[in-house]
Amino acid sequence: EDQVTQSPEALRLQEGESSSLNCSYTVSGLRGLFWYRQDPGKGPEFLFTLYSAGEEKEKERLKATLTKKESFLHITAPKPEDSATYLCAVQATLAETSGSRLTFGEGTQLTVNP
Amino acid sequence: EAQVTQNPRYLITVTGKKLTVTCSQNMNHEYMSWYRQDPGLGLRQIYYSMNVEVTDKGDVPEGYKVSRKEKRNFPLILESPSPNQTSLYFCASSSMDTQNTEAFFGQGTRLTVV
Repeated sequence: EDQVTQSPEALRLQEGESSSLNCSYTVSGLRGLFWYRQDPGKGPEFLFTLYSAGEEKEKERLKATLTKKESFLHITAPKPEDSATYLCAVQATLAETSGSRLTFGEGTQLTVNP
Repeated sequence: EAQVTQNPRYLITVTGKKLTVTCSQNMNHEYMSWYRQDPGLGLRQIYYSMNVEVTDKGDVPEGYKVSRKEKRNFPLILESPSPNQTSLYFCASSSMDTQNTEAFFGQGTRLTVV
């Protein structure tokens, strides 16, 4: 069974204080690891897909990295508008019976204070 | 604009009164799915569909039905809603392409069953 564990559950930062969010996973065969941002009462918004260990992707103040067991979302010099819940999800190797199924972690709630 | 549209956004209903939540996507995606999101439990998949007339159960299918008569639409049906189905529901769609499998989510439907 695929599993995703995110830590910490909640993180409070001062504006400009860089940090990292962790996503540990177990999956039979990794097809992709996804990061999403979710604002209160809204649907998850896609950020990154990582496919293989060693891969890195960047977008503005966010950088996602991947190893064989975990992924990190690094936030450099965050701003208050980065406050949101960040979700990690894994997708197992495509199987006839599961298609593009995602298994989500519970998320890290990030608050950035001005 | 690429989007997944859910309706209604908010719904309050009584126990046992059948309801349908609609979902439509304009990206010609093969894969569509429904999730529910509950505090402490994260996003859990209810049902998914890999293409027209092809649907299957996710992790928490009890009390729900779906249909996929057209590629763009994937309604969620609650034949006899109960209070434990009070939740935030999301529809998602994605391509089955090997390199572009990120899921796009709707804005959510907040359902309250009294």
